[in-house]
Amino acid sequence: GQNIDQPTEMTATEGAIVQINCTYQTSGFNGLFWYQQHAGEAPTFLSYNVLDGLEEKGRFSSFLSRSKGYSYLLLKELQMKDSASYLCAVRDRGGNYQLIWGAGTKLIIKP
Amino acid sequence: DVKVTQSSRYLVKRTGEKVFLECVQDMDHENMFWYRQDPGLGLRLIYFSYDVKMKEKGDIPEGYSVSREKKERFSLILESASTNQTSMYLCASSFGTGSNQPQHFGDGTRLSIL
Repeated sequence: GQNIDQPTEMTATEGAIVQINCTYQTSGFNGLFWYQQHAGEAPTFLSYNVLDGLEEKGRFSSFLSRSKGYSYLLLKELQMKDSASYLCAVRDRGGNYQLIWGAGTKLIIKP
Repeated sequence: DVKVTQSSRYLVKRTGEKVFLECVQDMDHENMFWYRQDPGLGLRLIYFSYDVKMKEKGDIPEGYSVSREKKERFSLILESASTNQTSMYLCASSFGTGSNQPQHFGDGTRLSIL
């Protein structure tokens, strides 16, 4: 079956670095997305990986290893506003249609 | 900026009622999606549409229907609401068929069925 696993909750300290992992088992692979969702708000797009390696965008970076079915989101210089849920989603086939979603990781930032 | 607008943030309805959730996007996106989001579960796709008047069932279509008469508008219909349909409903849209195109979400409708 199709499955995406993320830790349910993580805690980190303001100013530190945190890595949120995502492992997936899908019938195919056509890209992996990371979204941020603040409580009561819409998910917003953070990053997209389709090739192995690291994609950097300011304080946020996302890594992909297709052979291991593994990705992580790295957040540096954590700020209180980074407290949110982080959702991992995989497109298992071509075309801009369905995504398979993980349950999300709730990140709590402490002062 | 992409704007996806859902008609209500909060909605309370009674069991057996027919419920309409509306979603409008202003970016001329071909694809539109309806999800429900429940604690501890990932986003679950109810229906999606890749063109006007076209619709495809997602993972959990039972008890729901959709309508897409215009490109910018995608409606979700609960034919006869039940308490297990109490949830957060999220609408999303995306552009074209490129695999790298992200979905853009509305703020959600928190629906309670009493």
